[in-house]
Amino acid sequence: KQEVTQIPAALSVPEGENLVLNCSFTDSAIYNLQWFRQDPGKGLTSLLLIQSSQREQTSGRLNASLDKSSGRSTLYIAASQPGDSATYLCAVFNTGANSKLTFGKGITLSVRP
Amino acid sequence: EAQVTQNPRYLITVTGKKLTVTCSQNMNHEYMSWYRQDPGLGLRQIYYSMNVEVTDKGDVPEGYKVSRKEKRNFPLILESPSPNQTSLYFCASSFFPNEQFFGPGTRLTVL
Repeated sequence: KQEVTQIPAALSVPEGENLVLNCSFTDSAIYNLQWFRQDPGKGLTSLLLIQSSQREQTSGRLNASLDKSSGRSTLYIAASQPGDSATYLCAVFNTGANSKLTFGKGITLSVRP
Repeated sequence: EAQVTQNPRYLITVTGKKLTVTCSQNMNHEYMSWYRQDPGLGLRQIYYSMNVEVTDKGDVPEGYKVSRKEKRNFPLILESPSPNQTSLYFCASSFFPNEQFFGPGTRLTVL
């Protein structure tokens, strides 16, 4: 059974720092991995999708990498801003009979002005 | 505008009173799914559908039903809600198995 882990559960950094959010998964049989942002009480906003054959994707100040063989992904946020404060979730889309997204529990990021 | 919509957004009900949460998408996606989000447990899949008339159980299907009679709609039915179904519910859709698009969420309270 796929398990997705995000550690730490919470992170507080000063504005301007470059930071890395980690995601690990136990089963490498995936179609893709997706990073989401969730603001308190709100829905999920898709940030980046990395297909299993890809190594990384970039969008603006965000860069996500995928190492399928080791079961790891990182989300890099450059020059963090207070507006980046939110919960960041990663999810893997499993292959096989039960094709579904398995989510990590998220990392709650606070960027201090 | 491409979007996934859910109704209602907020609902307070009582134990045993049947309810339906609707989900609709306008992107012609064949894959749709329902999740619930609970503190400390994260997001868990309830049901998913690969296409019209094709549905299957996710991780936590007990107490829920779904139907997929049209491609754009995927309603979630709670025939006899109980307090442990109090949660935040999300519907999502995609072209399988690509980027998932989520609805705004439905906050359900069962008294």
